[in-house]
Amino acid sequence: QKEVEQNSGPLSVPEGAIASLNCTYSDRGSQSFFWYRQYSGKSPELIMSIYSNGDKEDGRFTAQLNKASQYVSLLIRDSQPSDSATYLCAVVASGGSYIPTFGRGTSLIVHP
Amino acid sequence: EPEVTQTPSHQVTQMGQEVILRCVPISNHLYFYWYRQILGQKVEFLVSFYNNEISEKSEIFDDQFSVERPDGSNFTLKIRSTKLEDSAMYFCASSTEIQDLNTEAFFGQGTRLTVV
Repeated sequence: QKEVEQNSGPLSVPEGAIASLNCTYSDRGSQSFFWYRQYSGKSPELIMSIYSNGDKEDGRFTAQLNKASQYVSLLIRDSQPSDSATYLCAVVASGGSYIPTFGRGTSLIVHP
Repeated sequence: EPEVTQTPSHQVTQMGQEVILRCVPISNHLYFYWYRQILGQKVEFLVSFYNNEISEKSEIFDDQFSVERPDGSNFTLKIRSTKLEDSAMYFCASSTEIQDLNTEAFFGQGTRLTVV
């Protein structure tokens, strides 16, 4: 079974700090990786996608992918209280399936 | 900005009743999905739909579920005989096309289904 694992948290960081969110996946052949943000009671909102090893930056967000270690992370610089949400990692595995599989999500709390 | 829209936002139904959840995907998207999220749990894949047929479905998507694209814009999920454990947020999502797996799924705001 293809698994996507995340620490449920909560991860608590002070305003202005860097928040680091981690995700591991079981299918070594996975090709596409996504980070979604979900506020309580709301739908997942796509933040970042990454397909190649290395870093991808978009504003305050940086996604990092290491396929050899089966690990993808999301860094949020200059964290703001409005970043407080659950961050979902989603992975599209190999084997002909194009369906994103979601992890349980990590709850992030940014305190003033 | 184009978005996926879902109706209703909240549906309360009695156990054993049929419900239809409706979605309008982004207009140029070709792949449509239904996910559900039971309160406090992970987002779970139910079914994907492409070219007017189901392309994949999970073990959750049993005979009580069906999907349909009745016209050029709507995409529906029908639950034939609801059970208490069907209570969840149901999310519709869509994506453009699959080319080398570089596809991003965009989610609607969800329908909260409560079975009483």
